[in-house]
Amino acid sequence: DAGVIQSPRHEVTEMGQEVTLRCKPISGHDYLFWYRQTMMRGLELLIYFNNNVPIDDSGMPEDRFSAKMPNASFSTLKIQPSEPRDSAVYFCASSLGTGRGYTFGSGTRLTVV
Amino acid sequence: RKEVEQDPGPFNVPEGATVAFNCTYSNSASQSFFWYRQDCRKEPKLLMSVYSSGNEDGRFTAQLNRASQYISLLIRDSKLSDSATYLCVVMGYGNKLVFGAGTILRVKS
Repeated sequence: DAGVIQSPRHEVTEMGQEVTLRCKPISGHDYLFWYRQTMMRGLELLIYFNNNVPIDDSGMPEDRFSAKMPNASFSTLKIQPSEPRDSAVYFCASSLGTGRGYTFGSGTRLTVV
Repeated sequence: RKEVEQDPGPFNVPEGATVAFNCTYSNSASQSFFWYRQDCRKEPKLLMSVYSSGNEDGRFTAQLNRASQYISLLIRDSKLSDSATYLCVVMGYGNKLVFGAGTILRVKS
């Protein structure tokens, strides 16, 4: 299995630009999670999906952030407009259940200048 | 109070040493517990689940104390390759996994 695949690996963008992060979960996993990691705040759960349906988006920082999962094999996290404080590593993870161990992708390192 | 609290370290130990990390959690109803390992600039990877009776995986032993709401990880015969950040993970409110901030381990030759 190829594991959880995220793209791009690195993204540098200017403040105000739209950023789209992509994730392909492990085939057969019915849960997908988006996390953000910073030195100050550690790993924070932004949103998670079950069977492509958003279940809990309480961690999404504000309206500039949106996430979609149009099918079982693809999800996006969009930031519009981006701000320097959005700079972080964004991880996607998938699982067979919320209480099971998650498998993480390699992450997208986002820098907003 | 944070849902999961860990000593950030770093723990600096020589090769061959035994080292233990603890973590405390606030949700007494939590049912699932894990230790993850994260190498520098990499993604977190599942190290082991933690069971009520305690469990062992090679040089690694995990313990759970529900009464005191803490979890421990013991690493015996430390290797240089054990150097990483160890994340304590608890299933929190809303059945979501909550990650601690991590404990840094540095094993020196």
